[in-house]
Amino acid sequence: EAGVAQSPRYKIIEKRQSVAFWCNPISGHATLYWYQQILGQGPKLLIQFQNNGVVDDSQLPKDRFSAERLKGVDSTLKIQPAKLEDSAVYLCASSFRGPSPEAFFGQGTRLTVV
Amino acid sequence: AQSVAQPEDQVNVAEGNPLTVKCTYSVSGNPYLFWYVQYPNRGLQFLLKYITGDNLVKGSYGFEAEFNKSQTSFHLKKPSALVSDSALYFCAVRDQRNYGGSQGNLIFGKGTKLSVKP
Repeated sequence: EAGVAQSPRYKIIEKRQSVAFWCNPISGHATLYWYQQILGQGPKLLIQFQNNGVVDDSQLPKDRFSAERLKGVDSTLKIQPAKLEDSAVYLCASSFRGPSPEAFFGQGTRLTVV
Repeated sequence: AQSVAQPEDQVNVAEGNPLTVKCTYSVSGNPYLFWYVQYPNRGLQFLLKYITGDNLVKGSYGFEAEFNKSQTSFHLKKPSALVSDSALYFCAVRDQRNYGGSQGNLIFGKGTKLSVKP
């Protein structure tokens, strides 16, 4: 079974620039998550999709972050404009529907804002 | 508020010795608990989960975890540590605010670095 695919693996941008990350979840997984992991911390949820609908975006900084999941499969996360504090690893994960399913994670995108 | 706490930033053990990585949780209902491992420059890999049933849960790579409701703990254990077990370990609890508790996102602890020396 193919895992969660993310691209790019690494990205370096200047502050105030924009950046986009892409995620392809495991086939058949209805739920997709984007997490932000700052160095030395645990992952923190940014947004959760169920198919193509948003379940939870309460911790998404909506003035600069946006995400979409067109057709309920692939997803993109965008930051515009980026700030220095956005430097982190952005992890995408997916899970199937069931009794408290585990989430499967991609390798993440390491973003450095300079 | 739902949360997990990992009280140790780092755990050091000698190869062949048993290891324990601690986790305590705080939830309003029945807890759904998880352990993940993260190797350098990699995503998180699922080890095991507790939903209901036996308090001792067995998972991948010889790891197991013991659920203790009275102590609100879910400690990760392995009888004999390997050098290759050295990594960052995360405990997580399911957020139960949505979908009746079973489909919410995972709330992670800050992680515990496990170092196994030969």
